[in-house]
Amino acid sequence: SAVISQKPSRDICQRGTSLTIQCQVDSQVTMMFWYRQQPGQSLTLIATANQGSEATYESGFVIDKFPISRPNLTFSTLTVSNMSPEDSSIYLCSVAAGPSSYEQYFGPGTRLTVT
Amino acid sequence: DAKTTQPNSMESNEEEPVHLPCNHSTISGTDYIHWYRQLPSQGPEYVIHGLTSNVNNRMASLAIAEDRKSSTLILHRATLRDAAVYYCILRDKRNYGQNFVFGPGTRLSVLP
Repeated sequence: SAVISQKPSRDICQRGTSLTIQCQVDSQVTMMFWYRQQPGQSLTLIATANQGSEATYESGFVIDKFPISRPNLTFSTLTVSNMSPEDSSIYLCSVAAGPSSYEQYFGPGTRLTVT
Repeated sequence: DAKTTQPNSMESNEEEPVHLPCNHSTISGTDYIHWYRQLPSQGPEYVIHGLTSNVNNRMASLAIAEDRKSSTLILHRATLRDAAVYYCILRDKRNYGQNFVFGPGTRLSVLP
């Protein structure tokens, strides 16, 4: 299993600013995933982050808006840039326990409100 | 990965069994059926998964139809803590280690 922590747990930010969300895992993992969950909605994958390579973004998400860093096998950050109220969501970090793992583990999420 | 269809919401009484259905008529032979749930203010958590045979674990049971076009997650005695959104997800076993694709899920309410 993997235990994931995220910082901050929540934040209220002003339009036009940026917020960096941290994700820390208690074990080394190859693949980390960042999801967005808009109010009352299901989870949508933003990007997949592998250590040592550029993140792979899903359709509708771009690096300039959601830059991701993956400096080692236990840590990643997601930045939400130039925020607007439409970015108000819960952002979740997730990992697969291994290349053959059938389980995915999720952090508690970061609740972002943009005013 | 093939898509699934679940009811938007269901209600149950506390300490009664709950049967959460999932339809997946386009399932392929290499798709595993996974169930995750998301408790309020938490990230999703693994519940159970299976391929063809029924599966039991400490959290729930998974009943899979013989033609695999549908499945049912069974909570044997619902508690208030089981109130959550339940996601039924198909994933090709060749995609293990990749991300899950979440649909809208079923919101389960448990009444005291």
